[in-house]
Amino acid sequence: KAGVTQTPRYLIKTRGQQVTLSCSPISGHRSVSWYQQTPGQGLQFLFEYFSETQRNKGNFPGRFSGRQFSNSRSEMNVSTLELGDSALYLCASSEDRPANEKLFFGSGTQLSVL
Amino acid sequence: GDSVTQMEGPVTLSEEAFLTINCTYTATGYPSLFWYVQYPGEGLQLLLKATKADDKGSNKGFEATYRKETTSFHLEKGSVQVSDSAVYFCALSDRGYQKVTFGTGTKLQVIP
Repeated sequence: KAGVTQTPRYLIKTRGQQVTLSCSPISGHRSVSWYQQTPGQGLQFLFEYFSETQRNKGNFPGRFSGRQFSNSRSEMNVSTLELGDSALYLCASSEDRPANEKLFFGSGTQLSVL
Repeated sequence: GDSVTQMEGPVTLSEEAFLTINCTYTATGYPSLFWYVQYPGEGLQLLLKATKADDKGSNKGFEATYRKETTSFHLEKGSVQVSDSAVYFCALSDRGYQKVTFGTGTKLQVIP
């Protein structure tokens, strides 16, 4: 089975721009969770999608949004980028309930905001 | 809310040294506990887990015991190798709220 795939691997944007990140989960996994990883904060939970519905959400501003498609692939979007949005964005997939199961992580998208 | 506290890194050890990475947690419910490992340039991988008090999770020579009385889940390995160099994350899962909370990570460097 192929693992979790995230694209692109690296992104460089400027303040005020918007960005879209993509995540393809393991085949058969219907839950996709997104995390922001920074050196000082560790992993911060953004949101979780299951069967095209947002099922859980972390404490991030509305500039951060996501969606999930019928094939379970997910995208997250960040609008009006700020310098503090520079981070590694990780997605993780699981079959159903992420808190009940093992999470499978992608290698992440490294976003740099200049 | 739930939280996980890990010891600050980096931790630098010589090969074959004993490893302990401390992890304590705060949770309103009865969580499951995990250790994940992140090798350079990769995503996180599950290393081990424990789902109830006094459970011991183990994998690849690493061990951690779920201590409810001290709310701790310390990671240990008897003899580290250079290939163990990575960032280690302690995490807890709240099945009620379906939320997984991670610590800030501890970087381990093992020198030959």
